[in-house]
Amino acid sequence: QVQLVQSGAEVKKPGASVKVSCKASGYTFTSYGISWVRQAPGQGLEWMGWISAYNGNTNYAQKLQGRVTMTTDTSTSTAYMELRSLRSDDTAVYYCARDANTALDYWGQGTLVTVSS
Amino acid sequence: QSVLTQPPSVSAAPGQKVTISCSGSSSNIGNNYVSWYQQLPGTAPKLLIYDNNKRPSGIPDRFSGSKSGTSATLGITGLQTGDEADYYCGTWDSSLSAGHVFGTGTKVTVL
Repeated sequence: QVQLVQSGAEVKKPGASVKVSCKASGYTFTSYGISWVRQAPGQGLEWMGWISAYNGNTNYAQKLQGRVTMTTDTSTSTAYMELRSLRSDDTAVYYCARDANTALDYWGQGTLVTVSS
Repeated sequence: QSVLTQPPSVSAAPGQKVTISCSGSSSNIGNNYVSWYQQLPGTAPKLLIYDNNKRPSGIPDRFSGSKSGTSATLGITGLQTGDEADYYCGTWDSSLSAGHVFGTGTKVTVL
């Protein structure tokens, strides 16, 4: 069965960086892209960007351009999302999801990133 | 900053039906497929409907989706207490800042 397992919770200071991992299993990793979505406390879903697991092409949300980098390691079927220059409003649960183009069909369990001094 | 508008909340008694609307524009819903996601408290979102009206394996036919023009609707019949959750619509937006977009979210309460 398809599973996406994310790394554990992180606490970071403002200005620092965080890198969240997402290990996929149960399907051919390079056949789908991975999207990253975040959810601030009590708020809705915000799409952050997408990476092709086939060739590494990326498409980032305009709001995060310059601060976010998404990568994949096909040898371990793992996707990564790094966010730099963290601010308090980056505090959120970060999700990876398998991107089937017209929908995000499987989601990771989420990783809480807390930014606090 | 969601570009898709949903009602904040809907409610009904067990066994009844609810509908949730999702309003967008020609750059998103009008020219792209719509999906719907259920988020139970404290859990990750789960895909309920894709390609406007298709259900993934394991999703009961109590859940249905439709789309007309620049709006979409999720219907839930035979409401159960386990359906209490937040529901989000989603689609692709083809504007300058192209990417997936989500609705504002709707809280379903079973009375």
